[in-house]
Amino acid sequence: KNQVEQNPQSLIILEGKNCTLQCNYTVSPFSNLRWYKQDTGRGPVSLTIMTFSENTKSNGRYTATLDADTKQSSLHITASQLSDSASYICVVIRSYNTDKLIFGTGTRLQVFP
Amino acid sequence: DVKVTQSSRYLVKRTGEKVFLECVQDMDHENMFWYRQDPGLGLRLIYFSYDVKMKEKGDIPEGYSVSREKKERFSLILESASTNQTSMYLCASSLEEGGTLLDEQFFGPGTRLTVL
Repeated sequence: KNQVEQNPQSLIILEGKNCTLQCNYTVSPFSNLRWYKQDTGRGPVSLTIMTFSENTKSNGRYTATLDADTKQSSLHITASQLSDSASYICVVIRSYNTDKLIFGTGTRLQVFP
Repeated sequence: DVKVTQSSRYLVKRTGEKVFLECVQDMDHENMFWYRQDPGLGLRLIYFSYDVKMKEKGDIPEGYSVSREKKERFSLILESASTNQTSMYLCASSLEEGGTLLDEQFFGPGTRLTVL
């Protein structure tokens, strides 16, 4: 079954600390993987897009990693800020005849001062 | 910057009413999508369109229909709203031609619909 699982479901950290969010998938055949950030009451905004051949991609303080062998991805946030408080959604694209986006349920991150 | 706008941020309707949710994008994108987002379930695709007057069912099309008469506008229609359609509705668009979904999707701010 094609699934995307994210953990933890929620996370609380103090401002300035680092954190890592996990995404495990069983999607096949794999095309690419995306991380989105969704602020409360807003639509998701893309952070990174990674293809099969990429294993690291950065966007400012956000760094995504991909291990296509173990079917795992992580999103590392460095020196967290209050504005990082949001839900982070992992999305895997399956390409087989037609493309299909499979969404994880997200990790809710809260950054406190 | 790509801009995807949705006609309402909040909407309250009664059971049985016909509901229209409008979405407009200003970047000449080929593909447009409608999702609903519910706690613990993630985003689920309702319908998408890869060209004017073309539509494809997503994972949960039951109880919904769509219309795309112009490239920039994609409407979601609830013919007879029910309480289980209370949800956050998100519209998205992407550039990719040919009906593929490999290009990045840009999302609107969402419409929170409550059906009483």
